Order: sequence, then structure tokens, then C-alpha cells
Amino acid sequence: AQRVTQPEKLLSVFKGAPVELKCNYSYSGSPELFWYVQYSRQRLQLLLRHISRESIKGFTADLNKGETSFHLKKPFAQEEDSAMYYCAPYAGNNRKLIWGLGTSLAVNP
Amino acid sequence: DVKVTQSSRYLVKRTGEKVFLECVQDMDHENMFWYRQDPGLGLRLIYFSYDVKMKEKGDIPEGYSVSREKKERFSLILESASTNQTSMYLCASSPEGLAKNIQYFGAGTRLSVL
Repeated sequence: AQRVTQPEKLLSVFKGAPVELKCNYSYSGSPELFWYVQYSRQRLQLLLRHISRESIKGFTADLNKGETSFHLKKPFAQEEDSAMYYCAPYAGNNRKLIWGLGTSLAVNP
Repeated sequence: DVKVTQSSRYLVKRTGEKVFLECVQDMDHENMFWYRQDPGLGLRLIYFSYDVKMKEKGDIPEGYSVSREKKERFSLILESASTNQTSMYLCASSPEGLAKNIQYFGAGTRLSVL
């Protein structure tokens, strides 16, 4: 079965520290992967997708097919990065995403 | 900007009531989704629709039904609300084509069933 694992429910770092939110997936084929973010009292929104290979708000994510991982990284965390982050691989030719349970990131001053 | 609008931000209903949650999108998206979001359980797909009058069950369809009579509107129906359906409900839409896997979300409806 296709699964996605975000091993940390909660991640707490200090402002300016590097941050890495982990995502591992099990998927047969060529996955398309996404990170979504939900800031406090805001709607869930796309943060980035792996095929774009871009940096959004200082975050990057590299697809590692060998390790089946898509970890989200930022070298210097900011307080405004505090949010819930979801990793979501594309489930195949059926328009559905598979959602991880989410990691709540708290960036402390 | 894509706009996905959920008709209510908060709803309080009684056990056994029939509940309608409405969602409208203004970007002519083919696909629409209903999720529930619970702490520690992430997002769970209830139903989705890829065309008018078409629907498919998600992971937790029991106790729910949906209606899509027009392309822009996707309704979630709780036939007889129960306390375990107290949750945050999120509606999303996505286009077909190259961007079909990018989902756009509404602000959510927090439903309390007493």
C-alpha cells in the first residue's frame, strides 16, 4: 500500500537554527511530491512541489528516490515559519494525494 | 487567485440532524474534495468528485454522502449527524492537466455535533 510517514509530530527549534522536517514514502513508480503548510488561522496551502525545484520562503525539498524521502529543509528558521506542515505524495493516476499526519513546527525566539 | 469558499466557518448541530456543508470554487476546476482534519490524524479523504454528478469514495465515507450538481459546487451531507463527526471539514479543488495534483483549500468548517 502507498504510505507516507512524517515521523515527528512536533518539532521545536530556535530562531536562526536549521530545520529539517522528514518525510518518507512508499510508492511504486515515479511519484510527484508536495509539501503543504497551514499557518495558524489560515487555510492549508501549497508550499512547494518537487518537480519545481524551487525555494519557497527559504525552504527546499529534495526527492531522494534511493531513500524514498522528501525532507523539507531551511537553513535558518524564522518565527513566522511556525505552522503545521504536511507531506503529500501523489497517489497515481487517480487525482488523489496521500497525506502524512503532519509535523507541527514551533520556532522559538 | 483561486477561491474556494465554504459556506460556514462554524456550525453547531444536534445528534441526528441532517447537515449540509457547502463548497464553491470559482476557477472552473474539474476535481473537488472533502476532507476531515482531526488532531493527530492528519487529513482524511471522505469523498471526491472529478466531474459533475461523478463521485468516488475516499478513505472514510461512512456516514457521509456528497452531491455535485454543478461544476463549481460540491456539497457534503451528514445524513444523521453523530458526535464522532465533530471535526474540521476542509473542501479543496484542483484542475485537470499538468497542475492536477495541486489542491486549493477552503478556510474550513468547524462542525460541533452535540
